[in-house]
Amino acid sequence: GEDVEQSLFLSVREGDSSVINCTYTDSSSTYLYWYKQEPGAGLQLLTYIFSNMDMKQDQRLTVLLNKKDKHLSLRIADTQTGDSAIYFCAPRPYSSASKIIFGSGTRLSIRP
Amino acid sequence: ETGVTQTPRHLVMGMTNKKSLKCEQHLGHNAMYWYKQSAKKPLELMFVYNFKEQTENNSVPSRFSPECPNSSHLFLHLHTLQPEDSALYLCASSQADGNSPLHFGNGTRLTVT
Repeated sequence: GEDVEQSLFLSVREGDSSVINCTYTDSSSTYLYWYKQEPGAGLQLLTYIFSNMDMKQDQRLTVLLNKKDKHLSLRIADTQTGDSAIYFCAPRPYSSASKIIFGSGTRLSIRP
Repeated sequence: ETGVTQTPRHLVMGMTNKKSLKCEQHLGHNAMYWYKQSAKKPLELMFVYNFKEQTENNSVPSRFSPECPNSSHLFLHLHTLQPEDSALYLCASSQADGNSPLHFGNGTRLTVT
């Protein structure tokens, strides 16, 4: 079946940039989402990129897409303590929202 | 505040109990979903409803019974659960147009004793 892979953990120093990587197998993915989950909460849509784009910037967030290699990354500039959370990569084919495949999530921790 | 509200936030139940989880969305969406999130496992899609009709059941055991009376409300009825059913149950909604992202509630943390 389709698969999404992410590193489980990432630790960065406060103020540095964080880069969370994701690889996926479904080449029909049209929208690729990043969700953030804080402790005790559900998943919050953080940003997304459409498959005909290779970069999207939204304030401190930069999403890069390499469609050929099926590689997606999320860069968080000037990482703050409030960025501590689990980040999920979620590619989605056009056909149906129910086909979204979620990665296992990357837990981002911030060092002072 | 999320546009998807789940109650209760926490639930502890014995294996012989019957309980229900409730989800309500205020976003005008017409598709609703139940997901299960267990420790150290990927998010698992359980059920999908489009315009109140169930369109997907991912081989979920019959001790979980969903109900969608209208496009804004979704229930998950629970009976004779097992300890391994302990997890965070997340409700989500979206437009059923093939373009829109999912919007999640904060989940119900279920513990089966």
